[in-house]
Amino acid sequence: AQSVTQLGSHVSVSEGALVLLRCNYSSSVPPYLFWYVQYPNQGLQLLLKYTTGATLVKGINGFEAEFKKSETSFHLTKPSAHMSDAAEYFCAVTNAGGTSYGKLTFGQGTILTVHP
Amino acid sequence: DGGITQSPKYLFRKEGQNVTLSCEQNLNHDAMYWYRQDPGQGLRLIYYSQIVNDFQKGDIAEGYSVSREKKESFPLTVTSAQKNPTAFYLCASSRWGADNEQFFGPGTRLTVL
Repeated sequence: AQSVTQLGSHVSVSEGALVLLRCNYSSSVPPYLFWYVQYPNQGLQLLLKYTTGATLVKGINGFEAEFKKSETSFHLTKPSAHMSDAAEYFCAVTNAGGTSYGKLTFGQGTILTVHP
Repeated sequence: DGGITQSPKYLFRKEGQNVTLSCEQNLNHDAMYWYRQDPGQGLRLIYYSQIVNDFQKGDIAEGYSVSREKKESFPLTVTSAQKNPTAFYLCASSRWGADNEQFFGPGTRLTVL
């Protein structure tokens, strides 16, 4: 079985401040990890993903995430928040094998608010 | 211009009526998915299909049905057996494989009165 926990349903930062959105996963086999962003009443858009290789992954809009196997974490960061970053962010996991192959399991989401 | 379309954007139905949500993709993807989104619960998988004429139940399939007669289309029917159908429904598609990105449609917001 696989699961995802996003710590903090709401995160608020000032424009220009560091953004840190936390994601911890549980998986019995090596995971594939994803971060998606959703703007109000829209679908989801991929920010970045980790499958194999380099554990620090860079995505769109200046976001990056680091896969830490020992901590079962995949936290999303951005050095300097912009007003346009305000949205809901979802962490998701799937597996390279087993019964969960190809099926994404999503976290509960974190709503990011950016203050001027 | 490739992508996924869902229609309608907003849908209202009376309790006890079946309703079908449309999902079409022109990305030539083999796999398609239906998710339900409720506030604070993330996305939950309803059904998915890896190939035409085949589909699998997801985590919350009760009260829903699907068909996959064409590669491009994966309609979802919300039946009267679904006890709490009011939600935001998202369709997605991808190339089949665990490391492949899922592309999402804009969603349909269903309200059952």
